[in-house]
Amino acid sequence: QKEVEQNSGPLSVPEGAIASLNCTYSDRGSQSFFWYRQYSGKSPELIMSIYSNGDKEDGRFTAQLNKASQYVSLLIRDSQPSDSATYLCAVNGRATNKLIFGTGTLLAVQP
Amino acid sequence: GAVVSQHPSRVICKSGTSVKIECRSLDFQATTMFWYRQFPKKSLMLMATSNEGSKATYEQGVEKDKFLINHASLTLSTLTVTSAHPEDSSFYICSAREGTVNSPLHFGNGTRLTVT
Repeated sequence: QKEVEQNSGPLSVPEGAIASLNCTYSDRGSQSFFWYRQYSGKSPELIMSIYSNGDKEDGRFTAQLNKASQYVSLLIRDSQPSDSATYLCAVNGRATNKLIFGTGTLLAVQP
Repeated sequence: GAVVSQHPSRVICKSGTSVKIECRSLDFQATTMFWYRQFPKKSLMLMATSNEGSKATYEQGVEKDKFLINHASLTLSTLTVTSAHPEDSSFYICSAREGTVNSPLHFGNGTRLTVT
């Protein structure tokens, strides 16, 4: 089992819809969780951090964490073509200070 | 917010030469920096963890003699690709975190290396 798993996609949604991106992780003791966006040819940029169970909202983005299910998700409301990118889920390893990345989900927002 | 600067953004070199990439934390001190590599349409791969004042920790399969890392100060880490070959052509990205181990990583803009 991979440490951080994401569906590679592509996930295609129409403009204005809600995009739902999912991630599962294997280390039950993980404490911190992040979503990054990476445009093609660019480096990742941080979108959201979440540390406790529940929802965290920031503008059009909502991160959801369920530690019991070892599941973290990112919702993007009112999706725009400019949101088209690869979204990376990252989890802090309990025993190390490394961030463990999933392989990313490619999101395509259709105008 | 935390800013990580990486230079150069793009470099083309001939096979057999060495290339140095710099990574700086501009507005915070970073005792630890991380170097990643990414091939086209592939995921980020952690190469090594750079520790200020001590040796870097390399991931399994990464040649420490080929990818030299120096972290001489709290704001600067360098990665030198020695005797570069075409298969070393890739996107190299550094990152650092401001704060505790539970803080997010902030990434530099990356360096696209092409070895001819």
